[in-house]
Amino acid sequence: EPEVTQTPSHQVTQMGQEVILRCVPISNHLYFYWYRQILGQKVEFLVSFYNNEISEKSEIFDDQFSVERPDGSNFTLKIRSTKLEDSAMYFCASRRDRDTDTQYFGPGTRLTVL
Amino acid sequence: AQSVTQLGSHVSVSEGALVLLRCNYSSSVPPYLFWYVQYPNQGLQLLLKYTSAATLVKGINGFEAEFKKSETSFHLTKPSAHMSDAAEYFCAVSSNFGNEKLTFGTGTRLTIIP
Repeated sequence: EPEVTQTPSHQVTQMGQEVILRCVPISNHLYFYWYRQILGQKVEFLVSFYNNEISEKSEIFDDQFSVERPDGSNFTLKIRSTKLEDSAMYFCASRRDRDTDTQYFGPGTRLTVL
Repeated sequence: AQSVTQLGSHVSVSEGALVLLRCNYSSSVPPYLFWYVQYPNQGLQLLLKYTSAATLVKGINGFEAEFKKSETSFHLTKPSAHMSDAAEYFCAVSSNFGNEKLTFGTGTRLTIIP
């Protein structure tokens, strides 16, 4: 069964450094999402992406964040200058098309900012 | 705006007993409702969903949920708990148009007592 994959599974970085989290959505899916889950808290929506542009972003998704689909298969989340409060589990999700309603989630990348 | 409230951050049941996890939603438009399960160190897996068809929805692993519009509820149940059901359960809501971002509840950690 096709699945969403994410790399790396765990990333440790120093405050102020740039990180790129990578996701490979299910191949025929058209809608892509990033969510994050700070330890002990609920899963929060960050951004949705369709047709090579951002559809919607949350208040969390400020100028330090960006997303890209560089090569038609990968979907990346970049944080330009990480802060301690960016430490969280980041989940990528994909959805096939407008007529389907299920988002399929990847296993997540745990980001630790020191 | 949409929101989800999950009553009880921790629920413990004995093996073989009924599992009941509560979810109430708020939505200004007809909602789509989802239950996701998260096993330790894993991503989010869809258990079941309500998308305006049958109000009683059956999912994987013997779980089911009933959409009750009058009570704005979508409680998750399983007649007989199994040790393997121990996990974190998230209720989520989305609208049935637009990019369908998911808004999650705070989660309920289910513990099964042998």
